[in-house]
Amino acid sequence: EAQVTQNPRYLITVTGKKLTVTCSQNMNHEYMSWYRQDPGLGLRQIYYSMNVEVTDKGDVPEGYKVSRKEKRNFPLILESPSPNQTSLYFCASSRARVGGNEQFFGPGTRLTVL
Amino acid sequence: QKEVEQNSGPLSVPEGAIASLNCTYSDRGSQSFFWYRQYSGKSPELIMFIYSNGDKEDGRFTAQLNKASQYVSLLIRDSQPSDSATYLCAVSNFGNEKLTFGTGTRLTIIP
Repeated sequence: EAQVTQNPRYLITVTGKKLTVTCSQNMNHEYMSWYRQDPGLGLRQIYYSMNVEVTDKGDVPEGYKVSRKEKRNFPLILESPSPNQTSLYFCASSRARVGGNEQFFGPGTRLTVL
Repeated sequence: QKEVEQNSGPLSVPEGAIASLNCTYSDRGSQSFFWYRQYSGKSPELIMFIYSNGDKEDGRFTAQLNKASQYVSLLIRDSQPSDSATYLCAVSNFGNEKLTFGTGTRLTIIP
C-alpha cells in the first residue's frame, strides 16, 4: 500500500531533550516536506526537500533540523525542544515539485513539550 | 497581511445545496492552487488543483481561479453530510517549491 508513515504518533517530552520524528514514504517520491499545524495558524511548512541531499527552509524553520540521506526517509530533528514547539506535525511527499502534484500526508505526530 | 486567507467559518449548508468556499492570496507569482479536505483528527487529502484561470470540474466539485483578482474558490454541489470537514486552500510559490496553506474553512452540512 502506497503510504507515508510517521513515528511516533504521539510524544510527550520535556524542554531541551533532543528528539527525532521519523518520516518514510514508499512511493519513490522526490519531494518531501514537514508541516506543523496549530489552531488559528493552519498548516505551516517547516522544511522541504526536493531530492536526496537537497533541503531548504520553509516558513517556520527555527528550532528544527532535517536531513535527506535516502530518498524514502526525511526525519525531523528537534535538538532542544521548547514548549512553543508543541504542535501537530505532518510529513508529506509528492512525486515532484508541489506545482500540479498531489502531496500525500502522513497520519501526523502530536508532540507535547512540557 | 496573511499570504493565503480563508474565512474560518463555520459555514453551515443544508444537505443538497451548493457550498461555496473562498480563498484569496497575496503573491501574484503564485503558480498552482490546491484544495485539501481535512476531517477532524485526520490528515489532509487533496480534492483538486488548478493553475489556469477559469473553472475546473471534477464530479461534484468545481474549482474556480481568477488570477487578476487573486481569488480561488471551491464549489461543492449536492452537498452531503460526508462533506462536513475543514477545507484548506493552498498556494504554491513561483518555483513550485513551497506550499502555503490558509487556515481553513470549517464546513458543516446539515441533514
